[in-house]
Amino acid sequence: DSGVTQTPKHLITATGQRVTLRCSPRSGDLSVYWYQQSLDQGLQFLIQYYNGEERAKGNILERFSAQQFPDLHSELNLSSLELGDSALYFCASSVGVGGDIQYFGAGTRLSVL
Amino acid sequence: GESVGLHLPTLSVQEGDNSIINCAYSNSASDYFIWYKQESGKGPQFIIDIRSNMDKRQGQRVTVLLNKTVKHLSLQIAATQPGDSAVYFCAENLEFGNEKLTFGTGTRLTIIP
Repeated sequence: DSGVTQTPKHLITATGQRVTLRCSPRSGDLSVYWYQQSLDQGLQFLIQYYNGEERAKGNILERFSAQQFPDLHSELNLSSLELGDSALYFCASSVGVGGDIQYFGAGTRLSVL
Repeated sequence: GESVGLHLPTLSVQEGDNSIINCAYSNSASDYFIWYKQESGKGPQFIIDIRSNMDKRQGQRVTVLLNKTVKHLSLQIAATQPGDSAVYFCAENLEFGNEKLTFGTGTRLTIIP
């Protein structure tokens, strides 16, 4: 168990809908990262927050947004969902801002029908 | 541009033998490398990391070798066990303070009993 908790484990929804994925980092970790894993793109970095502030951004679509709350948990919001958004979404956390080991949660499997 | 790739998508090894998983990277500015193991239905699990000022690092049954001259990274697993069967990813962190991890496509390691 990595100590990173993601909910829900599975999510099935329809195109055009909006969903929220939740992540609780390991105790003491200030950074939260979101990754998308699909069959054709592999593991892709989406976005990172550190202590409530956006720290780094990857190839995150404008339809996607995230935030980190004062208690350090994070949410990834996916809107206007398309079939191609079906993927595994992972959250990872680390102690600091860089060069630290990132510990991953078990992921949320999103299926857009 | 930066990229992290793997030489072989699949690798089968007899139980008890040693295995070597290779990874090529193209960005000579990368200073931190990580190997992750992902079992079916789980998130990536940290195995071992190495910084660019080192060429070898050992853990429990695992060794990572870094050859900066040819931009090559390898993961050696000694005395493989059935529990080692998984997909192994190398990941690259461009520079300290840049938290974005770029993942390779992964190698599926299968241990033959």
